Amino acid sequence: EDQVTQSPEALRLQEGESSSLNCSYTVSGLRGLFWYRQDPGKGPEFLFTLYSAGEEKEKERLKATLTKKESFLHITAPKPEDSATYLCAVQANQAGTALIFGKGTTLSVSS
Amino acid sequence: KAGVTQTPRYLIKTRGQQVTLSCSPISGHRSVSWYQQTPGQGLQFLFEYFSETQRNKGNFPGRFSGRQFSNSRSEMNVSTLELGDSALYLCASRLGGDQPQHFGDGTRLSIL
Repeated sequence: EDQVTQSPEALRLQEGESSSLNCSYTVSGLRGLFWYRQDPGKGPEFLFTLYSAGEEKEKERLKATLTKKESFLHITAPKPEDSATYLCAVQANQAGTALIFGKGTTLSVSS
Repeated sequence: KAGVTQTPRYLIKTRGQQVTLSCSPISGHRSVSWYQQTPGQGLQFLFEYFSETQRNKGNFPGRFSGRQFSNSRSEMNVSTLELGDSALYLCASRLGGDQPQHFGDGTRLSIL
């Protein structure tokens, strides 16, 4: 069964304190891995797509990486406005076009 | 560029009623998917429509149905509402294939 697990569930950081969020997956053929950010009362906002192991994408203070079993979202020198829930999702061969989501990591950054 | 628009933003219904939710995708996007988000289960896939045809379906009962119109707008219907149907219903659109899905802000459905 296709599965996505995110850790930790919650993470509290001080402004400027870098860290990483983990997304591990077991799927029947990965077609793509997606990172989203979700703010309270809003829908998920697309951040990155990764398609193959070794691929990396960067955007401002965020960097996403992918291996054959997991993906990391590295946050460098975070700011309070980076506080949100970060969701990882995979598109797998068996699930077709559906995204399979992890439960998310809720990040709180204090100044 | 306008994003995905969902209406209404909030709905309150009672058990046994039915409800219809609406979604307008990003211009040019022909694929529309629906997801249910709850605190316990997270985001779960309901179904996807492409060119007015249901292309994929998740593991939800037949009370959940949808359709897509020729202008790519989509509606989702839930009949015989149950308390457990209380959730945030999210619509997402994409160009197609393995392109990323872009989400609207959802419809918050509360069942009394």
